[in-house]
Amino acid sequence: DQQVKQNSPSLSVQEGRISILNCDYTNSMFDYFLWYKKYPAEGPTFLISISSIKDKNEDGRFTVFLNKSAKHLSLHIVPSQPGDSAVYFCAASDSGGGADGLTFGKGTHLIIQP
Amino acid sequence: DAGITQSPRHKVTETGTPVTLRCHQTENHRYMYWYRQDPGHGLRLIHYSYGVKDTDKGEVSDGYSVSRSKTEDFLLTLESATSSQTSVYFCAISDLPRGSAEAFFGQGTRLTVV
Repeated sequence: DQQVKQNSPSLSVQEGRISILNCDYTNSMFDYFLWYKKYPAEGPTFLISISSIKDKNEDGRFTVFLNKSAKHLSLHIVPSQPGDSAVYFCAASDSGGGADGLTFGKGTHLIIQP
Repeated sequence: DAGITQSPRHKVTETGTPVTLRCHQTENHRYMYWYRQDPGHGLRLIHYSYGVKDTDKGEVSDGYSVSRSKTEDFLLTLESATSSQTSVYFCAISDLPRGSAEAFFGQGTRLTVV
């Protein structure tokens, strides 16, 4: 049973426009959410995170929105640039103790068209 | 970038042989993780460590064992490699338990079992 779902395997967006990547989760214990970006043949790199006490977090062109009642988060990239083409993973965890890693979605391949 | 090195970067091995992958960090982070990445599955946790000699199983631990005799090294062993273990393996490190901080990933090891 997948606890973190990214239902769009791929997304194509024109350069300069907004990219919106979506993520849903089922585990109500999750209270910390992260987005990772991954280029081919490289490890994932941390992009942005949000705690459940917030509903929005911004870092430059990247904004993550969290809707706890809907168990939904989204990553907005504005404006989209060619270097943003990558696979984006949504990840979640609960902070109730323990160290057993993050739960990841399957990823969304973002393609920025020139 | 976090100081985390995986070796080897690529390996081809035969079914039934033992294989050990190494993760080495220079950050003195307490928590270390092994994930595998497969098409259609995202990243899945194999094993993790919360200190020297302290390890535990993740979501897909069958057929794998780990050891951590020093803070800086976390070894993943496939006791008897099978074709289903063909994958890309990522090591990750974190200085706080899940839910508190992002994890930093290594470059990955591409393992092919023939």
